[in-house]
Amino acid sequence: GAGVSQTPSNKVTEKGKYVELRCDPISGHTALYWYRQSLGQGPEFLIYFQGTGAADDSGLPNDRFFAVRPEGSVSTLKIQRTERGDSAVYLCASSRGLAGQDEQFFGPGTRLTVL
Amino acid sequence: RKEVEQDPGPFNVPEGATVAFNCTYSNSASQSFFWYRQDCRKEPKLLMSVYSSGNEDGRFTAQLNRASQYISLLIRDSKLSDSATYLCVLSPRVTDKLIFGTGTRLQVFP
Repeated sequence: GAGVSQTPSNKVTEKGKYVELRCDPISGHTALYWYRQSLGQGPEFLIYFQGTGAADDSGLPNDRFFAVRPEGSVSTLKIQRTERGDSAVYLCASSRGLAGQDEQFFGPGTRLTVL
Repeated sequence: RKEVEQDPGPFNVPEGATVAFNCTYSNSASQSFFWYRQDCRKEPKLLMSVYSSGNEDGRFTAQLNRASQYISLLIRDSKLSDSATYLCVLSPRVTDKLIFGTGTRLQVFP
């Protein structure tokens, strides 16, 4: 079946611009996660949705970052007034959202470059 | 102090070698533990979960020591295709966020 998909695969923008990154989770997965991975580092948690609501947004670095999941499926990560330090690969993952050893499946990521 | 500490490597080993990776974590309340594999410019993929009793999947063996807050991964009979970055991962609760180490780079050479 189809895995997690993310668009665009690459995004180049200028400092100060606004960007939106999209994630399509695996069908039927209720849990959705956003992570950010900088070069040479492991992925860093940003936000977690259970259904439509953000269950944990403790990883968002500041108020320039915002994410939504209005219908409990597709999610959009929004970054305002981008800075060069925002350059990274933004990864989305989804899981069934059930208790137990619940595997998270990752999408291929969006590589964001802020010039 | 980082929540998950790993030696970044790289570990360069010949085919057929046995290689071990270690990882320590700081939060004793962590509940779930995993090893993920990440190929260059690809997404992370679950390699295996880690249990206190130890678990094995073919050439791969993972072990968790809760008292020492230490996780290990052993790869036997290394293959060229094992070359990748191995990420030590924990979760404070099931169905919750994942906390990743920086990863250990493995390069297997002929």
